[in-house]
Amino acid sequence: GAVVSQHPSWVICKSGTSVKIECRSLDFQATTMFWYRQFPKQSLMLMATSNEGSKATYEQGVEKDKFLINHASLTLSTLTVTSAHPEDSSFYICSASDWTDEQYFGPGTRLTVT
Amino acid sequence: SQQGEEDPQALSIQEGENATMNCSYKTSINNLQWYRQNSGRGLVHLILIRSNEREKHSGRLRVTLDTSKKSSSLLITASRAADTASYFCATDRSNAGNMLTFGGGTRLMVKP
Repeated sequence: GAVVSQHPSWVICKSGTSVKIECRSLDFQATTMFWYRQFPKQSLMLMATSNEGSKATYEQGVEKDKFLINHASLTLSTLTVTSAHPEDSSFYICSASDWTDEQYFGPGTRLTVT
Repeated sequence: SQQGEEDPQALSIQEGENATMNCSYKTSINNLQWYRQNSGRGLVHLILIRSNEREKHSGRLRVTLDTSKKSSSLLITASRAADTASYFCATDRSNAGNMLTFGGGTRLMVKP
């Protein structure tokens, strides 16, 4: 149980385009979902926290207009990187937590912006 | 921002040896967790230790927590080549709900 999936697992896009990444909790209802970014050989940095049906809370330094987060249902959250640039190339990981507050991590999405 | 610092940043050992990784943090916590990440993959949850616990075991893993020093250690005994991965500690801060803050990670290489 407690499986979180991400789609796509990897994506290559051109500079200036937008990319959407999906995070799904497959067998539980996720009251809260978290989005992290991880640069090569670095740790995970929390970008934002989203609760179903409400606006996401962004960490300091993360542009909310660039990284659009939608948490429309208890099993799906999406992260859209708008007007992507090469410096946005990174590994994006989501996690989902249920009523127990334990976080379950997705397998990550590698974004490469050319 | 990262709360935790881990050392060493990189560790290379021979199969069969023990590997010890340390994590320090700055604020009060509810619990501390250790995760493993294979290259380019997601996180695998290893063990959670609560703030009122001092030591916990799971198979070949032993975790200690010293809240007075705000530090934790992860010991992997009798290491195997398959243990090669990056290991991260993550703290669940007392005043931040269940938000996790990750340490910098230790890259462990176990040579066969």
